[in-house]
Amino acid sequence: GNSVTQMEGPVTLSEEAFLTINCTYTATGYPSLFWYVQYPGEGLQLLLKATKADDKGSNKGFEATYRKETTSFHLEKGSVQVSDSAVYFCALQTGANNLFFGTGTRLTVIP
Amino acid sequence: DTAVSQTPKYLVTQMGNDKSIKCEQNLGHDTMYWYKQDSKKFLKIMFSYNNKELIINETVPNRFSPKSPDKAHLNLHINSLELGDSAVYFCASSSLTGYNEQFFGPGTRLTVL
Repeated sequence: GNSVTQMEGPVTLSEEAFLTINCTYTATGYPSLFWYVQYPGEGLQLLLKATKADDKGSNKGFEATYRKETTSFHLEKGSVQVSDSAVYFCALQTGANNLFFGTGTRLTVIP
Repeated sequence: DTAVSQTPKYLVTQMGNDKSIKCEQNLGHDTMYWYKQDSKKFLKIMFSYNNKELIINETVPNRFSPKSPDKAHLNLHINSLELGDSAVYFCASSSLTGYNEQFFGPGTRLTVL
């Protein structure tokens, strides 16, 4: 079956620290992988995506590389800001537009 | 210009009532979805509709019923509300073809007392 496993939160970092949020997946076929972000009180927004192995998605300083050999799609950012505080969701998509989400990781960045 | 909109934003109601949440998208998408986010932020798909045809129906109670009057709308009707229905409900839409991004609405926070 299809599933996504994310590292448990919450994660608290100081401003300008390095961020890694781990994500691994199990899927049939060749899924697309996504990171969505949910800022406080808002809906989900697509942060970045990768549609095939070795693709790197990037946006707003965040990056994630589709690693088929380790079935991973870890999210990284070199220097977080207070405005990055949010809940981050890893997700995979198979055919028929089915999106499977991880449990979400809450990030809090303190000044 | 809101791409995916939901109303109401907040809904507080008593157990046993029947309520509806509306969703509209102006993106020209042909597939729309409803997700439930519980208190632990876990997101799970409930329904999706493509051209008025239900194509995903997860194991949700039959008290929940999606209604799509046209391609731009997918409303969620809930009968006989229960305490456990309290959650944030998100609507989303996407194109049918390919692995296209799903655009989410701002969510409706439902509280059942």
